[in-house]
Amino acid sequence: KAGVTQTPRYLIKTRGQQVTLSCSPISGHRSVSWYQQTPGQGLQFLFEYFSETQRNKGNFPGRFSGRQFSNSRSEMNVSTLELGDSALYLCASRRTGYSEQFFGPGTRLTVL
Amino acid sequence: SQELEQSPQSLIVQEGKNLTINCTSSKTLYGLYWYKQKYGEGLIFLMMLQKGGEEKSHEKITAKLDEKKQQSSLHITASQPSHAGIYLCGADDGTGANNLFFGTGTRLTVIP
Repeated sequence: KAGVTQTPRYLIKTRGQQVTLSCSPISGHRSVSWYQQTPGQGLQFLFEYFSETQRNKGNFPGRFSGRQFSNSRSEMNVSTLELGDSALYLCASRRTGYSEQFFGPGTRLTVL
Repeated sequence: SQELEQSPQSLIVQEGKNLTINCTSSKTLYGLYWYKQKYGEGLIFLMMLQKGGEEKSHEKITAKLDEKKQQSSLHITASQPSHAGIYLCGADDGTGANNLFFGTGTRLTVIP
């Protein structure tokens, strides 16, 4: 069974631009969570989607948004990029009824 | 808010040596997860512990959750270069929200 996939793997943007990252969960997993990882703040929860609905949201500004499609694939969008948004963005999927989250390889976003 | 503190922050060991990484919580742990991360890549799920006193092993890695469910340890026996990476403990807050919060990680280097 294929693991969680994320595209693109690397991205370079400039301040003020917006970006969309994509995540395809493990087949059969309906929950997708997004995390941001930076050297200073570590790994922080952004939001979780289940059945196309956002169930939980972390403490991030409204510039960070996401959505989930009927096939459970998820996208996250960051608008008006700031230098501090440079990070590794990880998504994780989880099978309904189970606690373990399985992570993708991440998208490395660099904001110049 | 609940915090996870990992110790040590970094560890350098000779191949073949045993080592232990600790993860301490300020509050009761409802689910404790250990992950391994290669630099700049996604997280690899290692083990999940939920019950006080629980112990799980996989190959040469053993994880324990203490009886009071506020501390977990990860023990590697006869370390190998393949064990090198960043070890992260993560926990859920017990609300059923499925958003994990993580410790700051322990960077393990194994010298051949």
